Amino acid sequence: GAGVSQSPSNKVTEKGKDVELRCDPISGHTALYWYRQRLGQGLEFLIYFQGNSAPDKSGLPSDRFSAERTGESVSTLTIQRTQQEDSAVYLCASSLEGTVRGITQYFGPGTRLLVL
Amino acid sequence: QQQVKQSPQSLIVQKGGIPIINCAYENTAFDYFPWYQQFPGKGPALLIAIRPDVSEKKEGRFTISFNKSAKQFSLHIMDSQPGDSATYFCAASSNSGGSNYKLTFGKGTLLTVNP
Repeated sequence: GAGVSQSPSNKVTEKGKDVELRCDPISGHTALYWYRQRLGQGLEFLIYFQGNSAPDKSGLPSDRFSAERTGESVSTLTIQRTQQEDSAVYLCASSLEGTVRGITQYFGPGTRLLVL
Repeated sequence: QQQVKQSPQSLIVQKGGIPIINCAYENTAFDYFPWYQQFPGKGPALLIAIRPDVSEKKEGRFTISFNKSAKQFSLHIMDSQPGDSATYFCAASSNSGGSNYKLTFGKGTLLTVNP
């Protein structure tokens, strides 16, 4: 079946502009996650959605970052007034019920963001 | 504070060799330790995972060894193949506070297996 898809695959923007990144999770997955992967670094947790529960936004690095999810489907990650340090690969993952210990997270291919 | 330290940063072995990647953690509340494999241009994919109630887990050519007292765990790849060339990430999560979905990742190891 179809995996997690993300768009765009690459995004180049100018400093100060807003960007929107999209994630389509695997159908039936109630949990959705966003991570940031900077060059040479591990993945940093950004935000977690589980069904209709309040999202865990504890990983968002600043108030310029926000994310939304429509029900149990598409999610968008928005970065306002982008800065050069926002350049990274943004990865989305989804899973069945996220609170189950050890549940497998399935990752999309990521959106590579470059802020000039 | 880096909660999961991974080494080495890069590793080159010959086909058939046994690369070993090590991770150490600080948070004693961690109770789930997965390894992810990432090929260029792709997202990470779960490879194998272990919980602290066992000291070793094998799946095919991949083995995790876990040392709870030392707070260390490692990935061994038996009979490595060029197709195993990828970046490997260790990770950890804790069930404390109901946040077991929140994975903390190491910085990754770039493995190259030469033919």
